[in-house]
Amino acid sequence: DGGITQSPKYLFRKEGQNVTLSCEQNLNHDAMYWYRQDPGQGLRLIYYSQIVNDFQKGDIAEGYSVSREKKESFPLTVTSAQKNPTAFYLCASSSLGLRTDTQYFGPGTRLTVL
Amino acid sequence: GQQVMQIPQYQHVQEGEDFTTYCNSSTTLSNIQWYKQRPGGHPVFLIQLVKSGEVKKQKRLTFQFGEAKKNSSLHITATQTTDVGTYFCAGLSNFGNEKLTFGTGTRLTIIP
Repeated sequence: DGGITQSPKYLFRKEGQNVTLSCEQNLNHDAMYWYRQDPGQGLRLIYYSQIVNDFQKGDIAEGYSVSREKKESFPLTVTSAQKNPTAFYLCASSSLGLRTDTQYFGPGTRLTVL
Repeated sequence: GQQVMQIPQYQHVQEGEDFTTYCNSSTTLSNIQWYKQRPGGHPVFLIQLVKSGEVKKQKRLTFQFGEAKKNSSLHITATQTTDVGTYFCAGLSNFGNEKLTFGTGTRLTIIP
């Protein structure tokens, strides 16, 4: 079964702790993305990567970091510098990069910082 | 930067009524995509429009891309309870900065 997996589905952390959200895809897609969704709002791009070992900041990158050491994996670290980290985090991938191709989304991770 | 706005933000309709959501971009788009997110779920791709004035249909759903490629609409005929969810448009700018920008979404609820 091809697709994108994100784990865990729900994550609770104490304020001041860094936390890493995983995203894995077996679709052989080159491009991967991280979005943040707040209640009743749209998707805001955090980081994206079009090729291994390269990534670019999105619209709200402050307080987040990523790595792309493998084509299949694009983990997101929410650092203690992120002022309001509680949100729904969505990972997506696409085969042709940003230009025209469909984005396939994972099931998301709901992060709550206590 | 590029902005993509959607109206309305919320829409409640009786089952069987029609529904329309509108998407407007601050810049000309090279293409526009539509996604549906069910409550508690993740966005799922519905369709992509590329040509000026393009109209595409998927059963009860009709998608339009404006002549100026700055706006788009999604119309659902005779809504059903399975149509519940949030509908997002996402546009790709014509001018560099090739990031897909998502609209704010329209949340549709159906009154049985």
